[in-house]
Amino acid sequence: EVQLVQSGAEVKKPGESLKISCQGSGYGFYGHWIAWVRQMPGKGLEWMGIIYPDDSNTKYSPSFQGQVTISVDKSISTAYLQWSSLKASDTAMYFCARLGAEGGKEAFDIWGQGTMVTVSS
Amino acid sequence: EIVLTQSPGTLSLSPGERATLSCRASQTVTSSYLAWYQQKPGQAPRLLIYGASSRATGIPDRFSGSGSGTDFTLTISRLEPEDFAVYYCQHYGSSPLVTFGPGTKVDI
Repeated sequence: EVQLVQSGAEVKKPGESLKISCQGSGYGFYGHWIAWVRQMPGKGLEWMGIIYPDDSNTKYSPSFQGQVTISVDKSISTAYLQWSSLKASDTAMYFCARLGAEGGKEAFDIWGQGTMVTVSS
Repeated sequence: EIVLTQSPGTLSLSPGERATLSCRASQTVTSSYLAWYQQKPGQAPRLLIYGASSRATGIPDRFSGSGSGTDFTLTISRLEPEDFAVYYCQHYGSSPLVTFGPGTKVDI
């Protein structure tokens, strides 16, 4: 089964660091871009950035550039999203998603289950 | 910069009715990279339509997508109880690289 499995919910204090993960299985992980998407409570989907596991080529949304770091360890088919200093406004659900390309038409065809990050003092 | 606008914000319908959701881009976009997703409370989004009109694997044929240029439509021909959810359009490949619309909530 093709799937992305994310790490569990996190509760952190402002200023703390955090790294969450997204492990792919059932397909050639290195050959598909993996994106991270934020969803703040009661709000819509926001694209944060995307990484190509084979060469770690990474592109960030201007809104998130410098705020987070996206990385990958292709040896264990896992992508990461990390913060060096969390803020209360980082409280959200974070999804990873695979960019599939069927017939040259690209879309996010596989999604992780989401990781809830709560930042509170 | 591409901006996607969805209308209406909320669509109140009954099971069995037809739902028509609109997604408008601020400039011409490539249809091949226009997708629609369904999200239910507490769940991850699910891909419904890619390439503006192709149904994803396992998606019932009551869901259909159409459009080109700047105007795209998701149609649900006859609403089933499980279709009440939020629907997002999304584009890939311009600036910014990925854009989501604000969503349309379909409720009873």
